[in-house]
Amino acid sequence: ELKVEQNPLFLSMQEGKNYTIYCNYSTTSDRLYWYRQDPGKSLESLFVLLSNGAVKQEGRLMASLDTKARLSTLHITAAVHDLSATYFCAVDLAGNQFYFGTGTSLTVIP
Amino acid sequence: KAGVTQTPRYLIKTRGQQVTLSCSPISGHRSVSWYQQTPGQGLQFLFEYFSETQRNKGNFPGRFSGRQFSNSRSEMNVSTLELGDSALYLCASSLTARDPGELFFGEGSRLTVL
Repeated sequence: ELKVEQNPLFLSMQEGKNYTIYCNYSTTSDRLYWYRQDPGKSLESLFVLLSNGAVKQEGRLMASLDTKARLSTLHITAAVHDLSATYFCAVDLAGNQFYFGTGTSLTVIP
Repeated sequence: KAGVTQTPRYLIKTRGQQVTLSCSPISGHRSVSWYQQTPGQGLQFLFEYFSETQRNKGNFPGRFSGRQFSNSRSEMNVSTLELGDSALYLCASSLTARDPGELFFGEGSRLTVL
């Protein structure tokens, strides 16, 4: 069974600092997605990574994919309070059958 | 452009009852999938439909079922509810069966089983 692990599970960081969230998965896949979830809300798509070496950036967030290492990273640059949320990575195993990571709860402290 | 719409948003049921949740995908999207989110188990895949056919099913008991209509709208049903079925049920739609497969999620239906 495909396992998707994220670390850290909880992250508290000060505004202006940089940090990286890691997503490891246990089987071959070239489709990796990042989502954001605010408390009580649904999932918002952040990045779609579809090939080895893919790198996508949006504002203070940058995601990358290394399919050989089965690793994706979500890098946060100069964090701001608005980035506080839970971030999930997900691997698509069989066509719209997503396996989600455990989530990383990010709190940005002023 | 309207997003994925789920109804009802909140509902309370008692053990043994059954529940039906509805999902209207984004216009033009033909794939609809369902996920269960709980604090303990996280986000788990339930099933996925494309053109009225169930293509994939997650590891859930037969009490969980679903269907998709010709207009791509989908329903999921849970029979003989158990306390552990309390969860946020999320529906997601996608334009195609696989490529690129990005999912767009609805706001969810929060089910409480007493």
